[in-house]
Amino acid sequence: QVQLVESGGGFVKPGESLRLSCAASGFTFSDYYMSWIRQAPGKGLEWVAYITSSDTTIYHADSVKGRFTISRDNARNSLYLQMTGLRAEDTAVYYCARERGKSFTGMDVWGQGTTVTVSS
Amino acid sequence: QSALTQPASVSGSPGQSITISCTGTSSDVGSYKIVSWYQQHPGKAPKLMIYEGSERPSGVSNRFSGSQSGNTASLTISGLQAEDEADYYCCSYTTSSTFLYVFGTGTKVTVL
Repeated sequence: QVQLVESGGGFVKPGESLRLSCAASGFTFSDYYMSWIRQAPGKGLEWVAYITSSDTTIYHADSVKGRFTISRDNARNSLYLQMTGLRAEDTAVYYCARERGKSFTGMDVWGQGTTVTVSS
Repeated sequence: QSALTQPASVSGSPGQSITISCTGTSSDVGSYKIVSWYQQHPGKAPKLMIYEGSERPSGVSNRFSGSQSGNTASLTISGLQAEDEADYYCCSYTTSSTFLYVFGTGTKVTVL
């Protein structure tokens, strides 16, 4: 079945780095645009980053620009989020999600999330 | 960049209809008929309920419907059921320089 599984979350100190992964299965990963969305504890959803199917176009939210980098490996059916210079405010559950189409119409498949905690 | 504005909570009795509003600006909801709505149960991932303002993905109950007018989008749940109790978020593409997508503040739906 169509599935996204995130991994790589953990407990880190401010300033440290983490790399999140998202493994896709059940669909042709290389056909789809993808996003990362996060949710701080007890808070709402925040879009973080977006990448087109051939990674020709990439966007990052201003709150993570210069610190986080989205990438993908279509041969491995995988999406990544490299996070550096982590801050306490980056503490959240991070979800990868499949874009429904190519015109920002929404995200139709979500992973279960991976938790990132940044604390000294 | 501000989030789209939603009521913090909405409640209704089983069988009733409720409507959740989502108010944005001319940079997002007002300019693009592509608002999506997500349902999130506690500890679970969000689930797409409505896309392009009023379209339902396959498998989503027809008790859920969406609409857009001006800077406001709405999600209506008819025939409210116990399993509809969850948090709901709207989302829109935005021309803001800060974000690509802006989410709503979220609405807690309680079935009385």
